[in-house]
Amino acid sequence: AQRVTQPEKLLSVFKGAPVELKCNYSYSGSPELFWYVQYSRQRLQLLLRHISRESIKGFTADLNKGETSFHLKKPFAQEEDSAMYYCALSKGLGGAQKLVFGQGTRLTINP
Amino acid sequence: DAGVTQSPTHLIKTRGQQVTLRCSPKSGHDTVSWYQQALGQGPQFIFQYYEEEERQRGNFPDRFSGHQFPNYSSELNVNALLLGDSALYLCASSLIERGGEQFFGPGTRLTVL
Repeated sequence: AQRVTQPEKLLSVFKGAPVELKCNYSYSGSPELFWYVQYSRQRLQLLLRHISRESIKGFTADLNKGETSFHLKKPFAQEEDSAMYYCALSKGLGGAQKLVFGQGTRLTINP
Repeated sequence: DAGVTQSPTHLIKTRGQQVTLRCSPKSGHDTVSWYQQALGQGPQFIFQYYEEEERQRGNFPDRFSGHQFPNYSSELNVNALLLGDSALYLCASSLIERGGEQFFGPGTRLTVL
């Protein structure tokens, strides 16, 4: 079965410190992985996808197929990074794709 | 573009009742997916509609049904409500060829008493 695991429900770091949010997945095919973010009082939104290999708001994530991981990293945390982060896997037949989400990690950046 | 919109914002029902939630996709999107998010959990996929047909379905009972209209908007219907159906219901829209890149609405908070 397809599954996404985020082992940390809560993560707290100081401003300026490095951040790493962990994500592991299980999937029998070639997955497409995403990070979605929800800031306070805002809707869930896409942060980045592994295919684009881009850096958004200073965050990067590398797909490691050997370790089945897609950890989200940022070298220097900012207070505005405080939010709920969800790792998600896309699976589907042809064009129809559903997202399988992890339980989420609440990231708090302390001043 | 207001993005994905959902109505109502909040809803309170009693056990056994039926409820209909509505969603308008982002302009230009043709696919609508519905998710249930229980407190402290990640969103769980209910089903997805494209070309007015249900294309994929998650592990939800038949009490959960949906519809997509020619203008791409969608409804989620839940019959015979249970206490466990209390959750935030999220609608997400996308283009069928970029299905993993989904745009979410603000959600409808359903409380079943």
